[in-house]
Amino acid sequence: AQSVTQPDIHITVSEGASLELRCNYSYGATPYLFWYVQSPGQGLQLLLKYFSGDTLVQGNKGFEAEFKRSQSSFNLRKPSVHWSDAAEYFCAVDSQYSGGGADGLTFGKGTHLIIQP
Amino acid sequence: NAGVTQTPKFQVLKTGQSMTLQCAQDMNHEYMSWYRQDPGMGLRLIHYSVGAGITDQGEVPNGYNVSRSTTEDFPLRLLSAAPSQTSVYFCASSTSTGDYGYTFGSGTRLTVV
Repeated sequence: AQSVTQPDIHITVSEGASLELRCNYSYGATPYLFWYVQSPGQGLQLLLKYFSGDTLVQGNKGFEAEFKRSQSSFNLRKPSVHWSDAAEYFCAVDSQYSGGGADGLTFGKGTHLIIQP
Repeated sequence: NAGVTQTPKFQVLKTGQSMTLQCAQDMNHEYMSWYRQDPGMGLRLIHYSVGAGITDQGEVPNGYNVSRSTTEDFPLRLLSAAPSQTSVYFCASSTSTGDYGYTFGSGTRLTVV
């Protein structure tokens, strides 16, 4: 069964500093990978996704993520965070076997990002 | 387009009561799924559907039923609510073609007392 690990439950970053959120997955083949963001009391918004091709993916709000097959990782980065980036971030994996989109996502437990002024 | 619409947004139930969480999408997506979100657990898949008349269990299906009579609607039923079902529930839809992605509803916060 596929699984996703987000090792950091909480991360605190100063406004303007760089950010990296870690995500490791366990899957038998190359998965489809996603990062979602959830603001307090809100639903999930897609930041970016990786299916194939270029391993560096650009997303919304200035975020990017890099797929590293050798490390089974899909870390999320941002060069300079803003106070509005404070939120919960979820990494998720989808199965390719069913063609993608069919049988739901497997999520990590999330990383809570705190921005210090 | 409205996207994925979930109703109600908030609900309080007594133990043993039944209710249905509604989910509707207007994007003609083939695939729909239900998740529950609990603190420190991320989102976990309850049930999913690959099309009208076809449903299957996810990671945490116990205590929940689903049906899919139309492409647009995918209701989640709690037949006898338990306090362990206190959670935030999210519905999502997806297409599988090309550059697909999951679209999530805004959630239903359910409290069982």
